[in-house]
Amino acid sequence: LAKTTQPISMDSYEGQEVNITCSHNNIATNDYITWYQQFPSQGPRFIIQGYKTKVTNEVASLFIPADRKSSTLSLPRVSLSDTAVYYCLVGPNSGSARQLTFGSGTQLTVLP
Amino acid sequence: DAGVTQSPTHLIKTRGQQVTLRCSPKSGHDTVSWYQQALGQGPQFIFQYYEEEERQRGNFPDRFSGHQFPNYSSELNVNALLLGDSALYLCASSFRDSRLPISYEQYFGPGTRLTVT
Repeated sequence: LAKTTQPISMDSYEGQEVNITCSHNNIATNDYITWYQQFPSQGPRFIIQGYKTKVTNEVASLFIPADRKSSTLSLPRVSLSDTAVYYCLVGPNSGSARQLTFGSGTQLTVLP
Repeated sequence: DAGVTQSPTHLIKTRGQQVTLRCSPKSGHDTVSWYQQALGQGPQFIFQYYEEEERQRGNFPDRFSGHQFPNYSSELNVNALLLGDSALYLCASSFRDSRLPISYEQYFGPGTRLTVT
């Protein structure tokens, strides 16, 4: 499974756009990129998943460059409730191996 | 539509004891995965159950075992508890359909906080 590297922490202010970048230099051809959000004492929550280029949903956007060695999660106009740990995961799209491999994540703190 | 539920919420055990944690998956889901999350770390995959069989296993000793029932609910058993087993145990459910593209969207429960003293 590809190893991921993310910043340990980030601070932002309410209303700003936040971009969290994840490095995955040894990503395999059939690997997907997935992001999860976790609040204290709660289970992680799926945010978005992508393979290449750009994916957007009602919560966030995911930007993946052509070489796929990194990805950026973009959160538009964050609020205090977006304070959480954000995990970047990389895993294959083949077979039955859907186990999630979490790293240490990025602690995002949104300030008023 | 109930999401993933886990019981109990909190549990305190003594070293050497055994513990059983329970999970009911989200309605319509047939696959259950268990994760261990130590304080300040990301969740670590323990194993996954589908069709009442263990399908995938992470790097955990045999003291960790599980079961899935015909109604898709699942149990996690840990024998001979160690202090290092103190953690938040998370259950996640998903639906396995080979006709659909692979999805890493799993629904997590609130977890069971296990403290071993």
